[in-house]
Parts: sequence; C-alpha cells; structure tokens
Amino acid sequence: NAGVTQTPKFQVLKTGQSMTLQCAQDMNHNSMYWYRQDPGMGLRLIYYSASEGTTDKGEVPNGYNVSRLNKREFSLRLESAAPSQTSVYFCASRDRGHLWETQYFGPGTRLLVL
Amino acid sequence: DQQVKQNSPSLSVQEGRISILNCDYTNSMFDYFLWYKKYPAEGPTFLISISSIKDKNEDGRFTVFLNKSAKHLSLHIVPSQPGDSAVYFCAARPGGATNKLIFGTGTLLAVQP
Repeated sequence: NAGVTQTPKFQVLKTGQSMTLQCAQDMNHNSMYWYRQDPGMGLRLIYYSASEGTTDKGEVPNGYNVSRLNKREFSLRLESAAPSQTSVYFCASRDRGHLWETQYFGPGTRLLVL
Repeated sequence: DQQVKQNSPSLSVQEGRISILNCDYTNSMFDYFLWYKKYPAEGPTFLISISSIKDKNEDGRFTVFLNKSAKHLSLHIVPSQPGDSAVYFCAARPGGATNKLIFGTGTLLAVQP
C-alpha cells in the first residue's frame, strides 16, 4: 500500500501564479486534511474534508481552496500565490469515527513562492 | 494565539539516557492528546496518545504523562537511541470537535551516540 501520496514534492512559484497540490490515499479513509508546517508554528490545519462531498475551513484557510474530488483524492489550490504561502504542505487521511491514532500523513510538498 | 506550546525548540541527549519532551496547553477543554514523530523529508507519524481521564500511558520505551491541573504534558523516552532523533510534535483535540487537532510547535531531539 502506498498510503498517502502527494504531488509534487517540490515547487517554486512566482508571486501571483496559481497551482494545485494533489493528494491521494488508498486506505479507504473518509476524512482528509491539509496542513501547513512553518518554522516556530508547528502544523496548522488549512482545510479538511470529513467525508466525500464535504469540506470545512481549518485554522488558516485564507488564500486557499480545496476540492474533494472523490473518496481517494483531496486537492489544495492556491489561486494567486504569495510569499507568505511558502511552507511545507502535508496531506493526511483518517478513518472517520476512529481515534486520531489512525491519521496518516503524506511525505509533504515543499513550496517556495518568490 | 498558540494554544499548545512546546517551549524547547531543541534537546540534545546522550544515547541510553532519558529524553523528556514537554508540552503546555491553555485550553482546559482539550480531551485527548497525542505525540507525533517526524523525520526530515517525511510526514509525521503517530507515536503515543493519552486521554484526559488518565495521567499516564506507556508503550515500550515511550511514556506520556498528563498533569491536568498544570495543563502540562510530557513524553519520556527511556533509553534514548540515535534512531529517536527527530522532531516531536504534541497535539491536542478540542473537546467535541472531533475533526481537528491543535499542534504544538515541535521539539527537535538529537540523541548523541
């Protein structure tokens, strides 16, 4: 099993450009999450999808949009990238109703916005 | 406002000794706590958890202690091994909000051989 996969692994954008970060899981999990990790800030939740067809804002949703394409895939879109969005982005999935011990993370996407 | 804080950005310990990682929180409504471990270029992985109704949970070399009156959580690793070198995040679940975790800022543990 691949678990949670993320593409791309690394991306450089110019301010104002757009891009979509892709995430897929093969564990048949209901819930999926997007986090960002910044130095001194820990992991902060951007958006989550409790189940297919639903999405909700997390702590830091401004500047992002998400799409739960199907049960497997959850994408994060930056419409107009800003230097403040330079970060490492992690996607995670969890079997809804289960304890948080079943949350699995992808390897991350490192994004640099110039 | 950081609700979950790890005040030590880094910690260095000799192999075989005890590592103690600390975490403080401000919200008394947190009802479940977890520790995650993260290696470079990888996503975090779950390590150990504790419910707010307990004060200790043990799993092999790892023990988590919870002091609710002090709003303080600690992770003990005994004995420490070089493979334990990683960033450790504590996380807390707000009571009733089962789809969110609040993470701390992380502590980089270096275990010296």
